[in-house]
Amino acid sequence: DSGVTQTPKHLITATGQRVTLRCSPRSGDLSVYWYQQSLDQGLQFLIQYYNGEERAKGNILERFSAQQFPDLHSELNLSSLELGDSALYFCASSVADGQETQYFGPGTRLLVL
Amino acid sequence: GENVEQHPSTLSVQEGDSAVIKCTYSDSASNYFPWYKQELGKRPQLIIDIRSNVGEKKDQRIAVTLNKTAKHFSLHITETQPEDSAVYFCAARSPPSNTGKLIFGQGTTLQVKP
Repeated sequence: DSGVTQTPKHLITATGQRVTLRCSPRSGDLSVYWYQQSLDQGLQFLIQYYNGEERAKGNILERFSAQQFPDLHSELNLSSLELGDSALYFCASSVADGQETQYFGPGTRLLVL
Repeated sequence: GENVEQHPSTLSVQEGDSAVIKCTYSDSASNYFPWYKQELGKRPQLIIDIRSNVGEKKDQRIAVTLNKTAKHFSLHITETQPEDSAVYFCAARSPPSNTGKLIFGQGTTLQVKP
């Protein structure tokens, strides 16, 4: 157990819908990262937040957005969902803003039908 | 853009043999290289990492080597065991130092046959 928690574990929804994935970092960690893992794309970096502020951005779609709250938990919002958004979404956390080990949560498996 | 190539995509070895997985990165400014192990349906777990100021690091049966000139790094697992069977991912991180964006390789599925 890495200490990073994610909810829900599984999510099934329809195209065009919107979902919110939640992540709680390890106690004391200030950075949260979101990654998407699909069969054909591997692990792709989406976005990083550090202490409430966006710190780095990957190839995150405009339909996706994230935020980190004062209690340091983070939410990833996915809207206008498409079939191709079906994937495992992982959250990771680290102590500070980039030079440290990232610990991954158990992931949320999203299926868009 | 930044890219990490990982080979082979699948690797099958007999228990007790060694396994080697290789990665090549594109950004010469990359300074941190972790390796993650992912079992089926589970989270990626860090197994070893190396920073750009070190050429080699070892932890029991696992070692990582880094060649900055050639921009490649390798994972070596000795005396493999069936429980080493998993997907292994290499990754690279580039500056600036206040970001943690990891670029991952495509993964290597390692099968250790008893």
